[in-house]
Amino acid sequence: EAGVTQFPSHSVIEKGQTVTLRCDPISGHDNLYWYRRVMGKEIKFLLHFVKESKQDESGMPNNRFLAERTGGTYSTLKVQPAELEDSGVYFCASSWAGGGYTFGSGTRLTVV
Amino acid sequence: AQKITQTQPGMFVQEKEAVTLDCTYDTSDPSYGLFWYKQPSSGEMIFLIYQGSYDQQNATEGRYSLNFQKARKSANLVISASQLGDSAMYFCAMREGFSASKIIFGSGTRLSIRP
Repeated sequence: EAGVTQFPSHSVIEKGQTVTLRCDPISGHDNLYWYRRVMGKEIKFLLHFVKESKQDESGMPNNRFLAERTGGTYSTLKVQPAELEDSGVYFCASSWAGGGYTFGSGTRLTVV
Repeated sequence: AQKITQTQPGMFVQEKEAVTLDCTYDTSDPSYGLFWYKQPSSGEMIFLIYQGSYDQQNATEGRYSLNFQKARKSANLVISASQLGDSAMYFCAMREGFSASKIIFGSGTRLSIRP
């Protein structure tokens, strides 16, 4: 089966610009998660979708971050406007109910 | 609140030796799952091994085993006969409960295997 796909793999944007990250989960996985690792620090949870609903968005840092999962398939994470401290690697993972997590390869975001 | 602690920021090990990566956790939920992931330089997160809190035996997957000491709240990863390809970041993670929910990660250990 195809794994979790994220794109772009790398993105370099200027401070103040907008960036949209995309995640395609494994087909049939209702659960989708976003994580990020900023400046080599810990991997932090951002939010959890069950189908198209936000189950847990306690990790979203501020209102510059907007995640959507229309139709319960792929998800997007938009950062608008991007700040320097948003630089890092953004991971997406998916799982079936009670199942293990499969991670994508991540999007490395650099804000300059 | 749940917490994962990895106290070894980096380790160097000679090829073919066994290595133990430490992980301690804290949770008030009696039902939880523990995970180990490997992140090579290419960046992807690779699942290695899982241990449920009610599992009686330590989990094993090939050269990986999880030394689960519930009373001490530790879940150390043991890699036997290390290989050069084992050089990577290793993350311990935990999920409270057994249904799909967020997992939290430790800070990671960078393992370097010497030839």
